[in-house]
Amino acid sequence: GQNIDQPTEMTATEGAIVQINCTYQTSGFNGLFWYQQHAGEAPTFLSYNVLDGLEEKGRFSSFLSRSKGYSYLLLKELQMKDSASYLCAVRPASGGSYIPTFGRGTSLIVHP
Amino acid sequence: DSGVTQTPKHLITATGQRVTLRCSPRSGDLSVYWYQQSLDQGLQFLIQYYNGEERAKGNILERFSAQQFPDLHSELNLSSLELGDSALYFCASSNNPGPLSGNTIYFGEGSWLTVV
Repeated sequence: GQNIDQPTEMTATEGAIVQINCTYQTSGFNGLFWYQQHAGEAPTFLSYNVLDGLEEKGRFSSFLSRSKGYSYLLLKELQMKDSASYLCAVRPASGGSYIPTFGRGTSLIVHP
Repeated sequence: DSGVTQTPKHLITATGQRVTLRCSPRSGDLSVYWYQQSLDQGLQFLIQYYNGEERAKGNILERFSAQQFPDLHSELNLSSLELGDSALYFCASSNNPGPLSGNTIYFGEGSWLTVV
């Protein structure tokens, strides 16, 4: 099975940079997703990492280290609208179904 | 807009009742997933269908069942409802359920179920 750990809540200031960490333990690994979810709304896709390293996409970047079972989502130039929950999800390599398992999410509060 | 459509958006029903949630996947997506999200449990995988057949099962109760029809829409049936079943139920879809990179899962807006 998978075990995914993220901080429950983080706060940051508008315009700043924040890093949301995700550690995981899995019997097999086939990729890691980051999703953003505003309260009561659908999770929306942010990034998908399969290989080690940093992938940048506008203000958001995602990093993966498979050997350490570690990923982070980096949000730059924070805006108020970035206040949301950020979900880390790991796709296993075993079982044939490749169903991502989601962490509990990190609630990010951006204040002025 | 992800292209995944769910109905109804909100539903209030009594304990012991049965409800059906409906999902239309994105155009071209063959795989449908159902997730349950409650405050204390996070996003929990229930079941997956691919091209009409059950592909994977997660933490789905025996009181719950689902199916995917030939037109690829899916329904999640929840019966003998209990207060603890109150949650946000998401449907999601993807093109290929395999291990290909970039095989993103897209979520619908969810169906809010309140059991009273």
